[in-house]
Amino acid sequence: DTEVTQTPKHLVMGMTNKKSLKCEQHMGHRAMYWYKQKAKKPPELMFVYSYEKLSINESVPSRFSPECPNSSLLNLHLHALQPEDSALYLCASSQGADDRVRYNEQFFGPGTRLTVL
Amino acid sequence: KNEVEQSPQNLTAQEGEFITINCSYSVGISALHWLQQHPGGGIVSLFMLSSGKKKHGRLIATINIQEKHSSLHITASHPRDSAVYICAVDGATNKLIFGTGTLLAVQP
Repeated sequence: DTEVTQTPKHLVMGMTNKKSLKCEQHMGHRAMYWYKQKAKKPPELMFVYSYEKLSINESVPSRFSPECPNSSLLNLHLHALQPEDSALYLCASSQGADDRVRYNEQFFGPGTRLTVL
Repeated sequence: KNEVEQSPQNLTAQEGEFITINCSYSVGISALHWLQQHPGGGIVSLFMLSSGKKKHGRLIATINIQEKHSSLHITASHPRDSAVYICAVDGATNKLIFGTGTLLAVQP
């Protein structure tokens, strides 16, 4: 299984809602990533989990809250979002994130298209 | 100046043409990635390379580490190749540095 799955595919939410994005991989990867992508722009890194611990937070607002319940799952909890947070949210995974792994090929999921009204 | 530059930004080709997309970078890297993204879709990893050349079907990727330059070639292009092609480099940290992408349209 070389797939990263994301649910839901599309999500529309109001600014007062609480919702969650889910990501799953069964490749035994120990690093997982959340990216945000606006139209016609490259992905922007938000968070990196390495061995189920948060290793990188790219100064993301606290209305985005990541969670890694186990090595196969990654969630992104959303609360009190703004319309400018509307974007494609991509999850990715890679084999590892430490000095023992030199190459870091990332496998991306199909993304969740989020619209904040 | 971006650490990863791609050219051209936009490219229109006729079906069957040979296509080249270029990527230059200014940082030390452990690997370079070529990614493909169809409109509204997720990202697919095409190649990861650190030296030389790789081939997969009609796609060829090359890298010159000394010149800090990589090219992605598509032979016998087809309308289904229409997509955004993104170059990304794996630098010193566990982060990919992305280029701005090349929007390719292959017309029948």
